[in-house]
Amino acid sequence: EPEVTQTPSHQVTQMGQEVILRCVPISNHLYFYWYRQILGQKVEFLVSFYNNEISEKSEIFDDQFSVERPDGSNFTLKIRSTKLEDSAMYFCASSGQGADTEAFFGQGTRLTVV
Amino acid sequence: DQQVKQNSPSLSVQEGRISILNCDYTNSMFDYFLWYKKYPAEGPTFLISISSIKDKNEDGRFTVFLNKSAKHLSLHIVPSQPGDSAVYFCAASGIGGGADGLTFGKGTHLIIQP
Repeated sequence: EPEVTQTPSHQVTQMGQEVILRCVPISNHLYFYWYRQILGQKVEFLVSFYNNEISEKSEIFDDQFSVERPDGSNFTLKIRSTKLEDSAMYFCASSGQGADTEAFFGQGTRLTVV
Repeated sequence: DQQVKQNSPSLSVQEGRISILNCDYTNSMFDYFLWYKKYPAEGPTFLISISSIKDKNEDGRFTVFLNKSAKHLSLHIVPSQPGDSAVYFCAASGIGGGADGLTFGKGTHLIIQP
């Protein structure tokens, strides 16, 4: 069964450092998303990406964040200068026809900023 | 501002009985609703969805009911099984056809007791 894969599973970084979280969406999907879940809180939407550009982003997705699809398979989330409050599980998701069809989620990357 | 609310953080049900998980929403622009199931250390897994043009959708042991006038939906699991123990997230999306991100509730931790 096709799946969304994320690497690494756990990333520890020092405050102020840049991190790149990587995702390989399902191959024939067109819509890509990043979500995050701070420990004990709800899953929050960050950004959606379609046709090689951001289609929607939340208030959380400020100038520190960027996304890229550098080739035909990878979808990355970059945080330029990490803060302690960026510590969370980051989930990548993809869907074939938009979020109003089922979105398939990856296993997540646990980001710990120290 | 919580647009999707799951007011029960946890729910305990005996194996074989019916589990009913509830979700309320405030944004009348939502027109597609999804339930996701999440095990620890895994990403959310799509369970079942319903469009706002319907009031019921059934898939095996899982049935979702939508009451638009009350802005309320519920997930029924019958009969409940031990493997159903997980966190269940209600999610909603806006006007169909786009790449809108999902808005998640905080989740309900369902515990199925033997």
